[in-house]
Amino acid sequence: DVKVTQSSRYLVKRTGEKVFLECVQDMDHENMFWYRQDPGLGLRLIYFSYDVKMKEKGDIPEGYSVSREKKERFSLILESASTNQTSMYLCASTLSLAENIQYFGAGTRLSVL
Amino acid sequence: TQLLEQSPQFLSIQEGENLTVYCNSSSVFSSLQWYRQEPGEGPVLLVTVVTGGEVKKLKRLTFQFGDARKDSSLHITAAQPGDTGLYLCAGEHNTNAGKSTFGDGTTLTVKP
Repeated sequence: DVKVTQSSRYLVKRTGEKVFLECVQDMDHENMFWYRQDPGLGLRLIYFSYDVKMKEKGDIPEGYSVSREKKERFSLILESASTNQTSMYLCASTLSLAENIQYFGAGTRLSVL
Repeated sequence: TQLLEQSPQFLSIQEGENLTVYCNSSSVFSSLQWYRQEPGEGPVLLVTVVTGGEVKKLKRLTFQFGDARKDSSLHITAAQPGDTGLYLCAGEHNTNAGKSTFGDGTTLTVKP
């Protein structure tokens, strides 16, 4: 089974802090994604990556950056956390562009105070 | 952004009842997935449909892809409390291969 692991289930940070959310997948998937999930808004794509060191903006990239130095790891960075970034963050991976079955991590619930 | 609208947004039913959840768009999808998400967990894939008019069955769940590949439905027969969760549809467009657009979900509660 594909396993996507997010480093933290719950995080509490203060406004202005730099926050790192880590995601690791163990099945050599090419593509990795970061979403945020908010009530009534569904899953919104923040950033995605099709290859190592490659990143593309999703629908809501403002206030976020990402890093993919290794194929299995995709990090989401909040340079200066704000209260409106309080949310559930979900990482996902897919095998390739041709196979779009998304495998999700369990999520990180981030609260910014 | 190509939108996917799900209805109803919330559904609360008694065990044993049947229900249908809808996923609609004005865009054509090359494939569409249904996921189920339980509280505190990430979404898990239930099914992928790729052919217009396709019907897939997974035990008590029946998934249908519209003939024009713009809409889909999920029907659950004799719902059980274990079916409780958030149901999400997600579509992929030919112009955005590898990326999915997600609906905002249907929260289903099945009461014993």
